[in-house]
Amino acid sequence: SAVISQKPSRDICQRGTSLTIQCQVDSQVTMMFWYRQQPGQSLTLIATANQGSEATYESGFVIDKFPISRPNLTFSTLTVSNMSPEDSSIYLCSARTRVGNTEAFFGQGTRLTVV
Amino acid sequence: GENVEQHPSTLSVQEGDSAVIKCTYSDSASNYFPWYKQELGKGPQLIIDIRSNVGEKKDQRIAVTLNKTAKHFSLHITETQPEDSAVYFCAAAKAAGNKLTFGGGTRVLVKP
Repeated sequence: SAVISQKPSRDICQRGTSLTIQCQVDSQVTMMFWYRQQPGQSLTLIATANQGSEATYESGFVIDKFPISRPNLTFSTLTVSNMSPEDSSIYLCSARTRVGNTEAFFGQGTRLTVV
Repeated sequence: GENVEQHPSTLSVQEGDSAVIKCTYSDSASNYFPWYKQELGKGPQLIIDIRSNVGEKKDQRIAVTLNKTAKHFSLHITETQPEDSAVYFCAAAKAAGNKLTFGGGTRVLVKP
């Protein structure tokens, strides 16, 4: 398994501002993902973070709103831009550790509240 | 794309009883089915998974069964304990090792 650390664990932000969430994995991983989990709901995939290239976004999510970086095999960031109260949610980083291994592990999440 | 349905949404059981959660999926190409447990304020934790070449897998008090023909899979927890109280999610993915599609979640409450 892999240990995934996210920072910050929670934040309260003003609408119109942006927040960057960091995800650090303790070992090299093949794939990294960002999910959103709205209160009491399931997990929705935002995008796959690709090392050294643009992220692959799911339907309904765009790069201008959720820019993602992945400069190396162990680190990724997700920015929530121009926030509104509807962006209040838990954002989760996930990673898959080995090629051909579909086991995915999650960080503890970042609880974001936009006021 | 894949669609995963999960039932029930809430489940209350007496300590020591069994709990069963069921999921159905839509994409016959899916062949990896993990189950996650999420406790309050934490990220999802992988508890067991099953691949399509296996019909059943067991790990102590938890087991998962898979029926590929019917496209459904289930989580069984026996001898439930209060620490089993959490939200459980099923998910499905294809062999290419790409994204997981999650079910809606089941909130399990084990009453002492």
